[in-house]
Amino acid sequence: GQNIDQPTEMTATEGAIVQINCTYQTSGFNGLFWYQQHAGEAPTFLSYNVLDGLEEKGRFSSFLSRSKGYSYLLLKELQMKDSASYLCAVMDSNYQLIWGAGTKLIIKP
Amino acid sequence: DGGITQSPKYLFRKEGQNVTLSCEQNLNHDAMYWYRQDPGQGLRLIYYSQIVNDFQKGDIAEGYSVSREKKESFPLTVTSAQKNPTAFYLCASSPAGEVNEQFFGPGTRLTVL
Repeated sequence: GQNIDQPTEMTATEGAIVQINCTYQTSGFNGLFWYQQHAGEAPTFLSYNVLDGLEEKGRFSSFLSRSKGYSYLLLKELQMKDSASYLCAVMDSNYQLIWGAGTKLIIKP
Repeated sequence: DGGITQSPKYLFRKEGQNVTLSCEQNLNHDAMYWYRQDPGQGLRLIYYSQIVNDFQKGDIAEGYSVSREKKESFPLTVTSAQKNPTAFYLCASSPAGEVNEQFFGPGTRLTVL
């Protein structure tokens, strides 16, 4: 079966750095997406990785290792507005997105 | 402003009633999707459509129906056959092509009493 694993919840301090991990086992791989979702709102796109390595975009970076079935989202200089759920999704061989349950990130002052 | 709209934001229905959730996009996207989101679970695909007048079942299509008569619109009907319809429903769209980010609407929270 297809499976995406993420921690359920993480807590970090304002101004710090946090790394949210995602491991996956899917039927094929056509890239990995990270989305941010504030409570009760729509998910919004953060990043897409299809090749191994690190993609940096401002305070957010995303890393992929296809051989390990592993990705992480790195958030730097955390702000209170970063409190949200972070969703990992893998596009499988049928070009369908398989979603993880999301990681709820709590930022404390 | 281009985007996806879903209405209403909150919807209450009695058990046994069918209900239709609206989804409209003005992004000129070919593909549209309906997902269901439950606490502690990932988004699950209900139906998707890659072109007007064509749609395919997702992983949890039972108890749901859709239509795609216009490129801009992809309404979802939750029928009385859906055993556990209370959930947060998200509509999304994406441009044509196999690998594209999906853009989401604000969602409709359906509660069946």
